[in-house]
Amino acid sequence: LAKTTQPISMDSYEGQEVNITCSHNNIATNDYITWYQQFPSQGPRFIIQGYKTKVTNEVASLFIPADRKSSTLSLPRVSLSDTAVYYCLVGGMDSSYKLIFGSGTRLLVRP
Amino acid sequence: EPEVTQTPSHQVTQMGQEVILRCVPISNHLYFYWYRQILGQKVEFLVSFYNNEISEKSEIFDDQFSVERPDGSNFTLKIRSTKLEDSAMYFCASSEDSGNTIYFGEGSWLTVV
Repeated sequence: LAKTTQPISMDSYEGQEVNITCSHNNIATNDYITWYQQFPSQGPRFIIQGYKTKVTNEVASLFIPADRKSSTLSLPRVSLSDTAVYYCLVGGMDSSYKLIFGSGTRLLVRP
Repeated sequence: EPEVTQTPSHQVTQMGQEVILRCVPISNHLYFYWYRQILGQKVEFLVSFYNNEISEKSEIFDDQFSVERPDGSNFTLKIRSTKLEDSAMYFCASSEDSGNTIYFGEGSWLTVV
C-alpha cells in the first residue's frame, strides 16, 4: 500500500478556498486516491475519489497531476463546519479491504 | 442517503466482560469491515468480511475478537474478554464491491473500566 504524507494541520478563514496536498510517491498503477473527512467522535465520511486529472463533486475538487505522485483536495469557500481532520488514502482494488489511515490534516476554520 | 448504522452508540463494560457491537451495513453492500480508533490516535483496520468469512484481519484482531453475520442484515463484532486497552471507538463500514468506496458508520464508543 502506498504511503501518504500530508500536513499535520492547516488554518483558514471562513469563505476562503483551502487546498490540502498529499504526497504518495509510491502510488501503484491500479491505485485510486480517496479523501475522507472526520469530525470528532464520528466516523470517517467519504469526500471524493479519483484516479487522474480532476474530479469535482458538490463538496470538493480533487486535482491529480500526470505523475500521480501527489494530489490536492480543494475545498471551495470553507465554513466553520468544515473544521475537521482530512485523510488522504491510496489503494487499489486489491487493497480496499483495509484502508490505511495516516494521521490526516487537522483543518481549523476561523471566523 | 443509505447509511451504515451501529448500536450501541456508547457502552461501558467491566474488564473481562464480553461485548457485542452491532452494525447494519448498507443493504446492497457485500463487503463489511470493522475499524477502531483509540482516543487521539489513528483509525486502525481490524477485519474485513466477505461471503460469510473473514477476508483479512490485522494483528489487533486476535483470538479475543470475532465477527459474525447472524442474519441477512446484521454484522457483529464480539470481544470475548475485554481489556482496558480495548477502550476505543469502533467503526463498522461497508462497500458494494472490493474496489468501491468504503462507507463508515457513526461508531460505537466502548469504555472498559
